[in-house]
Amino acid sequence: DAGVTQSPTHLIKTRGQQVTLRCSPKSGHDTVSWYQQALGQGPQFIFQYYEEEERQRGNFPDRFSGHQFPNYSSELNVNALLLGDSALYLCASSLGTGYQPQHFGDGTRLSIL
Amino acid sequence: AQRVTQPEKLLSVFKGAPVELKCNYSYSGSPELFWYVQYSRQRLQLLLRHISRESIKGFTADLNKGETSFHLKKPFAQEEDSAMYYCALSEDAGGTSYGKLTFGQGTILTVHP
Repeated sequence: DAGVTQSPTHLIKTRGQQVTLRCSPKSGHDTVSWYQQALGQGPQFIFQYYEEEERQRGNFPDRFSGHQFPNYSSELNVNALLLGDSALYLCASSLGTGYQPQHFGDGTRLSIL
Repeated sequence: AQRVTQPEKLLSVFKGAPVELKCNYSYSGSPELFWYVQYSRQRLQLLLRHISRESIKGFTADLNKGETSFHLKKPFAQEEDSAMYYCALSEDAGGTSYGKLTFGQGTILTVHP
């Protein structure tokens, strides 16, 4: 089991563009959470998807949106990119019941020029 | 709003010395607390969680609700313990699973030979 997989590993965009990041959860997991990690900071929660719906959302603007597919994989979309969106974006998966902990992927490094 | 504070950005000890990584939190409800670790060139991984009361790689952490702390301790540090350590707090997402994780800023532990 490869665990949580994210693609792409690196991405360079310019201000104003739009980006889509992808995540496949660990086998058996049905819940996906997304985090943004700026340099030198701890990860910050963006949102969590369960049963194809956004279950919880952090303090991020509407430019950040997501989706979960029937196979539990997920996408994070960011519109109108700003320089401040440059960060490592982490996906974490877990099982939606039984208080199981979150498992993280390697992340996607997004750079905005 | 919930908050996790790790007061030390850097911590250096010698091999065989005791180590304590500090974590304080603020949360109005009943928290679930975790320690995550990131070794060099590896993904973020769960080290231990409060609810399990287990010892992983010789590390333990006790939840002190009076002092709102969840310090990570190991009696004899090893060189392979050198890594970035994050304390994290989770709120209940609806009675059956963990929701968003709130992370501290992390502590880089270096164990010298």
